[in-house]
Amino acid sequence: DQQVKQNSPSLSVQEGRISILNCDYTNSMFDYFLWYKKYPAEGPTFLISISSIKDKNEDGRFTVFLNKSAKHLSLHIVPSQPGDSAVYFCAAKDSNYQLIWGAGTKLIIKP
Amino acid sequence: DGGITQSPKYLFRKEGQNVTLSCEQNLNHDAMYWYRQDPGQGLRLIYYSQIVNDFQKGDIAEGYSVSREKKESFPLTVTSAQKNPTAFYLCASSVTVNTEAFFGQGTRLTVV
Repeated sequence: DQQVKQNSPSLSVQEGRISILNCDYTNSMFDYFLWYKKYPAEGPTFLISISSIKDKNEDGRFTVFLNKSAKHLSLHIVPSQPGDSAVYFCAAKDSNYQLIWGAGTKLIIKP
Repeated sequence: DGGITQSPKYLFRKEGQNVTLSCEQNLNHDAMYWYRQDPGQGLRLIYYSQIVNDFQKGDIAEGYSVSREKKESFPLTVTSAQKNPTAFYLCASSVTVNTEAFFGQGTRLTVV
């Protein structure tokens, strides 16, 4: 029973365009969401987060949008750069403060 | 430099042997975690510790054991009872369980 789902295993985007990564969740009690970026054979690095009391959080080229009624969040990267090629994980904190992770989306930025 | 250090990066063991993965942090974080990553899956929590001398089972604790005798160290032992031990293991820490986690570089364990 996956509580956090990233339905696209991979996404290919032209350099300079917008990358949109999506994440859906089922548990309405999740109150904090995070995006991590992971290169092969390395640990994930924290990118950006959003509290459930907000619907948008922006940090440089990265913006996360939260739609609580749809139980959906998305990460926008504008403009996309070659170094953005990585696997992106969406995660949600449950009431026990544990992180519930999605399966990840592999983003490929084409030159 | 502050950070989380996992060692070794690659580890090979024979089936039936216990193996201990090291995780050290000098960030003065109270909380530490062990995750496992398998291809095509999200990270799955094995064990976590909110504070020294305390730890809790995660979603897939069977076949694993941990200790937290020091704040900076959270070693994970993969026992012979773990049926599918070959995986990429990630250690993480955070100031508290309610803040962002920072990850080590991971250890790839292969059991032959």
